[in-house]
Amino acid sequence: RKEVEQDPGPFNVPEGATVAFNCTYSNSASQSFFWYRQDCRKEPKLLMSVYSSGNEDGRFTAQLNRASQYISLLIRDSKLSDSATYLCAVNRDSNYQLIWGAGTKLIIKP
Amino acid sequence: GAVVSQHPSWVICKSGTSVKIECRSLDFQATTMFWYRQFPKQSLMLMATSNEGSKATYEQGVEKDKFLINHASLTLSTLTVTSAHPEDSSFYICSARHFPLGRGGETQYFGPGTRLLVL
Repeated sequence: RKEVEQDPGPFNVPEGATVAFNCTYSNSASQSFFWYRQDCRKEPKLLMSVYSSGNEDGRFTAQLNRASQYISLLIRDSKLSDSATYLCAVNRDSNYQLIWGAGTKLIIKP
Repeated sequence: GAVVSQHPSWVICKSGTSVKIECRSLDFQATTMFWYRQFPKQSLMLMATSNEGSKATYEQGVEKDKFLINHASLTLSTLTVTSAHPEDSSFYICSARHFPLGRGGETQYFGPGTRLLVL
């Protein structure tokens, strides 16, 4: 089993719809969780950190489920510009190194 | 936000040559930087952790004599791909560990990456 797993997609979603995807992690000792977005042939850019209580930033909501060991990302009122690959990252044990999922590709269609 | 630069953005070289890539944190000090490699449609693969003033820590399967890392200052880490071969062609990305003041937590900010093509 991979340390961090994501559904590769692609998720084809009409503009304005709500879309959600999850990321599972295997190490129960992990403490830090992040969502990044990566555009084609570009570097990953931090979208949001994921806190235990869940957090929201505009149209984006991230949640953590420790019992089931997954994090989720919800995008409301999706825009064409949301099309990208979304990577989740989880720290390795108490180390600050991040382990990365392979990413979920999201395509927003007009 | 934290800004990380990376230079060069792309390199085309002949097999057998060495290529040096620089990673700089522009508006913060980074005691720790990370070097990743990413092949098309694959996830980021951590190659090594670069610590200022000490030796880098390499991931299993990454040859330290092949990928030389130097972290000489709090804002600069370099990766040198020695005697590059076509199989080393990839997208190399650095990131810097950042602690935003007053907001707790930490994360990594990435440089724009370097595309290496070895002919």
